Amino acid sequence: DTAVSQTPKYLVTQMGNDKSIKCEQNLGHDTMYWYKQDSKKFLKIMFSYNNKELIINETVPNRFSPKSPDKAHLNLHINSLELGDSAVYFCASSLRWTEAYEQYFGPGTRLTVT
Amino acid sequence: GNSVTQMEGPVTLSEEAFLTINCTYTATGYPSLFWYVQYPGEGLQLLLKATKADDKGSNKGFEATYRKETTSFHLEKGSVQVSDSAVYFCALREGGGNKLVFGAGTILRVKS
Repeated sequence: DTAVSQTPKYLVTQMGNDKSIKCEQNLGHDTMYWYKQDSKKFLKIMFSYNNKELIINETVPNRFSPKSPDKAHLNLHINSLELGDSAVYFCASSLRWTEAYEQYFGPGTRLTVT
Repeated sequence: GNSVTQMEGPVTLSEEAFLTINCTYTATGYPSLFWYVQYPGEGLQLLLKATKADDKGSNKGFEATYRKETTSFHLEKGSVQVSDSAVYFCALREGGGNKLVFGAGTILRVKS
């Protein structure tokens, strides 16, 4: 029973392409997140949704667009991929937004742009 | 803005050695503090947390104490195992929501 799952696990694509990463959580959580981890392991939040509403939108290029069709899903679509987008993308969820609840992370999607 | 600074790695230890990974933070007020661990090829998992000054978080033999005087939250373990090899992230909760600001991560390698 995977709590937070992501697909695909690996994604290799060429510059200029458009790709999507899907995330699902079966924990009944209200809040979901997207993080980017670069090659030096530095982890930075990109977006957060609470009950399907966008509540965090960090300084991320407009080419990145999150979509939350329901509370259990948060997808990330990336247009016109660039070399600098190569990273590991993690989805996470937490019970609520308003307190210091534990965040549960998915296994990550390794995106390689060539 | 808020930030977290961790000691640079990699940290390489022999099995049963004592571990300390330093973490200091800069923030307004007294944010909740966390240690997350990332095992190879996996996502992050919460290791421990402390929500107010002088609290001690502990889990799996790891401990960290929230020290407001030194704005620190150092991670310690008395006797590390090979299975503790991972990347350790210190983080703080920013603002009234659940946004986390992470440190750069510290790679720990434990040799048998």
